[in-house]
Amino acid sequence: KNQVEQSPQSLIILEGKNCTLQCNYTVSPFSNLRWYKQDTGRGPVSLTIMTFSENTKSNGRYTATLDADTKQSSLHITASQLSDSASYICVVSANSDDMRFGAGTRLTVKP
Amino acid sequence: EAGVAQSPRYKIIEKRQSVAFWCNPISGHATLYWYQQILGQGPKLLIQFQNNGVVDDSQLPKDRFSAERLKGVDSTLKIQPAKLEDSAVYLCASSLEGRESQPQHFGDGTRLSIL
Repeated sequence: KNQVEQSPQSLIILEGKNCTLQCNYTVSPFSNLRWYKQDTGRGPVSLTIMTFSENTKSNGRYTATLDADTKQSSLHITASQLSDSASYICVVSANSDDMRFGAGTRLTVKP
Repeated sequence: EAGVAQSPRYKIIEKRQSVAFWCNPISGHATLYWYQQILGQGPKLLIQFQNNGVVDDSQLPKDRFSAERLKGVDSTLKIQPAKLEDSAVYLCASSLEGRESQPQHFGDGTRLSIL
């Protein structure tokens, strides 16, 4: 059973709208949580990294939140653009050498 | 800075043939990873190097997969012989040593198709 579960599996929104992607994990002990954006045919690109003591981190229109008590994270995208169409992958580390990848959420932004 | 370079971008082979992938990490990055990403799934770690030593190869199918990182810089991943289920994108990534809270930088991968 994957220790990192992402939802929804896929999502379609209109350009300009906001959306929130979810990541639930059971990885323990927790070290850090990362969100990556992966465009089709490209490698993942880091968006945010959060450690245990951080509960929110922003990168432009992307804002990640972390609730280490409930073991949940979300990635909020504001004022979506066509270029936001990609897969978003949540990665949770138990320690610096043990990372667990979610299957990703496929986001499609339509004009 | 230059990113992680991988080649080839695409490879098509028949089952039971051999194939090799090459990765050049970002200069100065001591840690190098190889991942397998099957369509619709997240990347799965195959092997992690710290300089030219192996840190984790627990998920590497050692009967057919091998990897090396000579001189602690470039790396090659080999599959011999290939099976149909090896069809996937093979991603290479690198990060700084002591990388707690350091991002991994990924290459664009090699898409392997097995006929």
